[in-house]
Amino acid sequence: NAGVMQNPRHLVRRRGQEARLRCSPMKGHSHVYWYRQLPEEGLKFMVYLQKENIIDESGMPKERFSAEFPKEGPSILRIQQVVRGDSAAYFCASSLAGRKNIQYFGAGTRLSVL
Amino acid sequence: AQKITQTQPGMFVQEKEAVTLDCTYDTSDPSYGLFWYKQPSSGEMIFLIYQGSYDQQNATEGRYSLNFQKARKSANLVISASQLGDSAMYFCAMSPQNTGNQFYFGTGTSLTVIP
Repeated sequence: NAGVMQNPRHLVRRRGQEARLRCSPMKGHSHVYWYRQLPEEGLKFMVYLQKENIIDESGMPKERFSAEFPKEGPSILRIQQVVRGDSAAYFCASSLAGRKNIQYFGAGTRLSVL
Repeated sequence: AQKITQTQPGMFVQEKEAVTLDCTYDTSDPSYGLFWYKQPSSGEMIFLIYQGSYDQQNATEGRYSLNFQKARKSANLVISASQLGDSAMYFCAMSPQNTGNQFYFGTGTSLTVIP
């Protein structure tokens, strides 16, 4: 998982605020994936992005959640109007183009909603 | 459907002993990868070992080995000579080559190494 950078590592928000989680993929990787880990559970897929494109968002909640991966800069997972149920660890992974079955994970962002 | 099953919520092992963590999977994709990750209390996901579905030999990485039985669809992790620092959550994951874009994770096994 070396090289996938996520920040912040810990994020505290009050209910109703917005949370922005950032992910810089490994050098040379153009594909980014976001996963969520609820307490006592394994990771669950949320969204898969390439530069400037959302490829698969089948795991994203329909409301309040959005993701982007701009041409320049990190990928952003945005949660609007957070609720206590959004408290979780959010992991980002990246892969080379054409190698989506080999993903490298970041250290995660732990979101706590008060 | 893709599914990973870890049936052991918690395991204990004596220091210096070997331990096997179970993982079974289900997929219709003929080509896939199997992974094990360690998640210590600090929360990061640490890659341990990888097995490709067409690999003829079981994967090994230091004290970690993967007991891959394709016909049984199992990919158990064996940790030899357990150390106190091995205490953590362990997750099995599968990545189908041709189906979907994601890793599928099991619910994890909590391993405690007893001195």
